[in-house]
Amino acid sequence: GAGVSQSPSNKVTEKGKDVELRCDPISGHTALYWYRQSLGQGLEFLIYFQGNSAPDKSGLPSDRFSAERTGGSVSTLTIQRTQQEDSAVYLCASRGLNTEAFFGQGTRLTVV
Amino acid sequence: AQKVTQAQTEISVVEKEDVTLDCVYETRDTTYYLFWYKQPPSGELVFLIRRNSFDEQNEISGRYSWNFQKSTSSFNFTITASQVVDSAVYFCALSEWGSSNTGKLIFGQGTTLQVKP
Repeated sequence: GAGVSQSPSNKVTEKGKDVELRCDPISGHTALYWYRQSLGQGLEFLIYFQGNSAPDKSGLPSDRFSAERTGGSVSTLTIQRTQQEDSAVYLCASRGLNTEAFFGQGTRLTVV
Repeated sequence: AQKVTQAQTEISVVEKEDVTLDCVYETRDTTYYLFWYKQPPSGELVFLIRRNSFDEQNEISGRYSWNFQKSTSSFNFTITASQVVDSAVYFCALSEWGSSNTGKLIFGQGTTLQVKP
């Protein structure tokens, strides 16, 4: 597609349930990032994928958070046993060689 | 540690006024990139500009201009003759540059700009 696509756009889940958020990056972009945007914390880096290298997971807030990137393209961010503090907008971005990052419209996650 | 500070939480102006959004950054790196992104109500972050740390020339793009001053670690953004469509949240960001460049962005807290008709 022309831009970074994220699904779903909105997700409401019950506390304790697992959720999966999907990101389709721009075709040909080797770098993929997940960020979280919440009222109290602003925009925070979560995880970074670059080609076939081991991902940089330094921003993941707890071991309930994990992410995969299959075939160097689509990425899935999984949050297990969701908590209310996980409520936020999760933004995905991709970047080509020596370009800026392009962001998707985000998934708004609400944990009730 | 890297840090970006946008001291202005909210700014409200009347259409056609000029407005400057401030950004101050901290980094120990000698090479880095600075960015501005716009986030309209739709939520998507829209890229506006990227500057590298070696290029301190001011840049103008239409009604937008940027003033990069290494001496004060600032990268301010000015909108001239503001319009209602400029209403959005604006983020300043910093990333490393070099052999370990991951492109991770460190964002400021954002400035909400409201342009009233």
